[in-house]
Amino acid sequence: NAGVTQTPKFQVLKTGQSMTLQCAQDMNHNSMYWYRQDPGMGLRLIYYSASEGTTDKGEVPNGYNVSRLNKREFSLRLESAAPSQTSVYFCASSDGLAGPQYFGPGTRLLVL
Amino acid sequence: QKEVEQDPGPLSVPEGAIVSLNCTYSNSAFQYFMWYRQYSRKGPELLMYTYSSGNKEDGRFTAQVDKSSKYISLFIRDSQPSDSATYLCAIGNEKLTFGTGTRLTIIP
Repeated sequence: NAGVTQTPKFQVLKTGQSMTLQCAQDMNHNSMYWYRQDPGMGLRLIYYSASEGTTDKGEVPNGYNVSRLNKREFSLRLESAAPSQTSVYFCASSDGLAGPQYFGPGTRLLVL
Repeated sequence: QKEVEQDPGPLSVPEGAIVSLNCTYSNSAFQYFMWYRQYSRKGPELLMYTYSSGNKEDGRFTAQVDKSSKYISLFIRDSQPSDSATYLCAIGNEKLTFGTGTRLTIIP
């Protein structure tokens, strides 16, 4: 089992460019999450999907969109990247909304 | 007041020492308490998970929850250099709130 996988591992964008971060899990989990991690701020929830077909905003959703493509895959899109979106992005999944979450290896994004 | 507060450290202790890591939280309704370990440039890895209250032990690691004080702890016995990492607490119900992490270094 690979667990939670994320692509790409690292990306550099120019301000205004768009990109999609991909996430997949093979644990048959119902819920999936996108977080960003910044120094001194901890992990902050961007969007989550409680189950296939549903998505909801988290703490910091502005500038992002998500798609729950199927039970396995949950993507995060930046339509017009800004330097403030420079961060490390983590995808996570869990069996249900309550309970332990399992994280992917992260995507390091630099917006110039 | 933040929902979850964690001392950022850094914390340096000699190999073999007992390490105590702590978090406080503000919402008495929280029922799920977790500790994650994160090595540099890696994703957080679930270390300990407790539902409701009490203690849980797994090898050298012990997690404690004191709901009356809204305080959780992670103890590491016989600490090893491989325990050097950032430790994150996560607390909540349907959504988790993460502490900012404590950076721990075990000195050989």
